Amino acid sequence: GAVVSQHPSWVICKSGTSVKIECRSLDFQATTMFWYRQFPKQSLMLMATSNEGSKATYEQGVEKDKFLINHASLTLSTLTVTSAHPEDSSFYICSARRLGALIYNEQFFGPGTRLTVL
Amino acid sequence: AQKVTQAQTEISVVEKEDVTLDCVYETRDTTYYLFWYKQPPSGELVFLIRRNSFDEQNEISGRYSWNFQKSTSSFNFTITASQVVDSAVYFCALSERVYNFNKFYFGSGTKLNVKP
Repeated sequence: GAVVSQHPSWVICKSGTSVKIECRSLDFQATTMFWYRQFPKQSLMLMATSNEGSKATYEQGVEKDKFLINHASLTLSTLTVTSAHPEDSSFYICSARRLGALIYNEQFFGPGTRLTVL
Repeated sequence: AQKVTQAQTEISVVEKEDVTLDCVYETRDTTYYLFWYKQPPSGELVFLIRRNSFDEQNEISGRYSWNFQKSTSSFNFTITASQVVDSAVYFCALSERVYNFNKFYFGSGTKLNVKP
């Protein structure tokens, strides 16, 4: 149990286009989902936290107008990179916190989406 | 300041050697959690262990063992008799409570190369 999927697993797009990445909790409901970004050979950095039905909370330095997050249901959160540029090329990972989890820190990570902007 | 420090950027060992990956953390919370994750070249994070701040008992799981010492704010990870399949980037992470959810802070990772 507690599987998180991401789609697509990789995407290549042209500069200036928008890309949507989906994060789904397959066998549980997620109250909170988190989006991380990992540049090559670097660590994971939290971008934003999204709660179902409310606006996402962005970390300092992350442009909310560029990285649109929608957590429309308890099993789906989407990250849209708008007007992507080559510097947005990165590995994007989502994680989900299970509804009703007794251990508040429990997060389940998705397999990641590799975005390459040409 | 870094909340989680993994001073070793890259380690190379020969198969069957033991290797220890260091992790030092910083927090003011009395309740927190520490994690180790493995990230193979595919990129997917593989959960290895979670330890809460009240449980300082060391843990062993097969060839893996963890040494948690609150006095030195360290949570080190040892692989005994390393194998080529252990080659990956290993991340240490700290989880603190922020409002009603937890926030993860990842270290910079240690790349382990195990050579045959």
